[in-house]
Amino acid sequence: EDQVTQSPEALRLQEGESSSLNCSYTVSGLRGLFWYRQDPGKGPEFLFTLYSAGEEKEKERLKATLTKKESFLHITAPKPEDSATYLCAAPNSGNTPLVFGKGTRLSVIA
Amino acid sequence: DGGITQSPKYLFRKEGQNVTLSCEQNLNHDAMYWYRQDPGQGLRLIYYSQIVNDFQKGDIAEGYSVSREKKESFPLTVTSAQKNPTAFYLCASSSGRRREAFFGQGTRLTVV
Repeated sequence: EDQVTQSPEALRLQEGESSSLNCSYTVSGLRGLFWYRQDPGKGPEFLFTLYSAGEEKEKERLKATLTKKESFLHITAPKPEDSATYLCAAPNSGNTPLVFGKGTRLSVIA
Repeated sequence: DGGITQSPKYLFRKEGQNVTLSCEQNLNHDAMYWYRQDPGQGLRLIYYSQIVNDFQKGDIAEGYSVSREKKESFPLTVTSAQKNPTAFYLCASSSGRRREAFFGQGTRLTVV
């Protein structure tokens, strides 16, 4: 049973067309929700950590938000260089390693 | 510069061979991890270590082995028992206090 589920699997946007990526999780006692960006053939790059419902974090055109059951990665006026796979992750419990979702593959077309 | 170094970037293995993937970090992190990534599968945990000389199996440990003799190093051996080893392998580390994991640039292993 998936503990971290991302949707959509793929998203194609026109440059400047804002949208949101979803990450839902079923882990109990959440100890952080993590967002990463991964470019093809590269390792994931850490973006954000969110710890409590209502928390928001921003970086350039990206804003991550967290509720009790899901997190959103909002992309405002995206550019082609924002094209990548975005991964979310959460620890299963306690001090265990991160469990990753399968990612959303974002393509931004000029 | 602090970071995680994986080598080699590309590795080719013949059927029946064992191969070892290197992972070194100079971030002074206690915990280190190995993940495998296949197309459409996301990252799956192979092994992790939270302290020197100790490690635990992840979800897909069969056919793999690790060691953690030094804090900085966590090599992964892909043995001949791993039936489908072709994949992208990612090493990561994290500190005890902060949970975010930082990744190396990966090793792409191909069976020929």
